Amino acid sequence: GNSVTQMEGPVTLSEEAFLTINCTYTATGYPSLFWYVQYPGEGLQLLLKATKADDKGSNKGFEATYRKETTSFHLEKGSVQVSDSAVYFCAVSDRSQGNLIFGKGTKLSVKP
Amino acid sequence: GAGVSQTPSNKVTEKGKYVELRCDPISGHTALYWYRQSLGQGPEFLIYFQGTGAADDSGLPNDRFFAVRPEGSVSTLKIQRTERGDSAVYLCASSLTGGSNNEQFFGPGTRLTVL
Repeated sequence: GNSVTQMEGPVTLSEEAFLTINCTYTATGYPSLFWYVQYPGEGLQLLLKATKADDKGSNKGFEATYRKETTSFHLEKGSVQVSDSAVYFCAVSDRSQGNLIFGKGTKLSVKP
Repeated sequence: GAGVSQTPSNKVTEKGKYVELRCDPISGHTALYWYRQSLGQGPEFLIYFQGTGAADDSGLPNDRFFAVRPEGSVSTLKIQRTERGDSAVYLCASSLTGGSNNEQFFGPGTRLTVL
């Protein structure tokens, strides 16, 4: 079945630093890929997604590109802010039903 | 508009007891998902409803877990003979029609603690 492996945390960065959180997946067929974010005290929310190879998802300055050849969907942001401190989850979906398979999550802390 | 709501927000119970967790999806969403998130882990899929029917219950860990959605809206996750290992945050999500192209909107979760 589908699975996701993402970079272990926690990750601590200074404000304006460059962020990369690695994510690789195994899946049959052509799944959709997602990054979800969980801010402190809040529920999970979709950050960005990509539905086919070479698609780039982007939102709030974050980007991730669907790389089928390397089965990866790494999350990047050029300049992080304190408000980006949260737990980030990479996920792959079953295309027909949409149920999500999540990675373990990466906790990001951004210091001023 | 209102998002996905879940009640209770916290539930503490004793080993062996029965619990019910409720999910109110976004109005008009036909797809509803239950996930379980243990400490330090990502959410794990439990069951998927399309309308009133359970389209995929392959994630339910054993027959102590059961879920219903009798009118295609509110769903209840039921756990019999609870065990300490059932302690986790139970998340509910809904989407407009299901499938990977529809965003899933998550509720705040119910934190279940089994003593």
